[in-house]
Amino acid sequence: GAVVSQHPSRVICKSGTSVKIECRSLDFQATTMFWYRQFPKQSLMLMATSNEGSKATYEQGVEKDKFLINHASLTLSTLTVTSAHPEDSSFYICSARGAGLVLETQYFGPGTRLLVL
Amino acid sequence: GESVGLHLPTLSVQEGDNSIINCAYSNSASDYFIWYKQESGKGPQFIIDIRSNMDKRQGQRVTVLLNKTVKHLSLQIAATQPGDSAVYFCAENQGSNSGYALNFGKGTSLLVTP
Repeated sequence: GAVVSQHPSRVICKSGTSVKIECRSLDFQATTMFWYRQFPKQSLMLMATSNEGSKATYEQGVEKDKFLINHASLTLSTLTVTSAHPEDSSFYICSARGAGLVLETQYFGPGTRLLVL
Repeated sequence: GESVGLHLPTLSVQEGDNSIINCAYSNSASDYFIWYKQESGKGPQFIIDIRSNMDKRQGQRVTVLLNKTVKHLSLQIAATQPGDSAVYFCAENQGSNSGYALNFGKGTSLLVTP
């Protein structure tokens, strides 16, 4: 139980284009989803928290107009990196917490490797 | 909050030995902690959790110890195997006011040698 998927697993795009990453909870309803960014050999940095049906809460320093988050259903959240630039290249990971699980525990997706050329 | 480091501390152990990975947390009011294992190129995997009303919790081959006095967590892995090689992160829950966000430690890279 508590499986989270992400799609795509890897994406390469040209500078200036937008990329959408999907995060799905497969066997539970995710009341909250989180988006993280991770650089090589570093820890996870929380970007934003999203609750189903409401606007995401962004961490300080994260541009909400650049990283668009939509959490339209209890099983799906999307992160869109708009007008991507090479410095946006990173490993993006989502997590979810939800119904029927320990309240505070987050279960993570497998991550999406973004490379912007 | 953020946890950013220029490099990960590395622990190298021989196969079959016990491993101890340590973590210091920042918020004395934190009441829930999780250890995650992250293999290269993958998302973090839940290993074990512990609440602040406990000092110790055991799982399969893993034990988490919590010392609230010095705000310290440790993860003990018994009879370490090559498949245990990964980066291990501790995380403290920020509570309902923060939407149950997690604050991650810097991580420790565990390398198991045959």
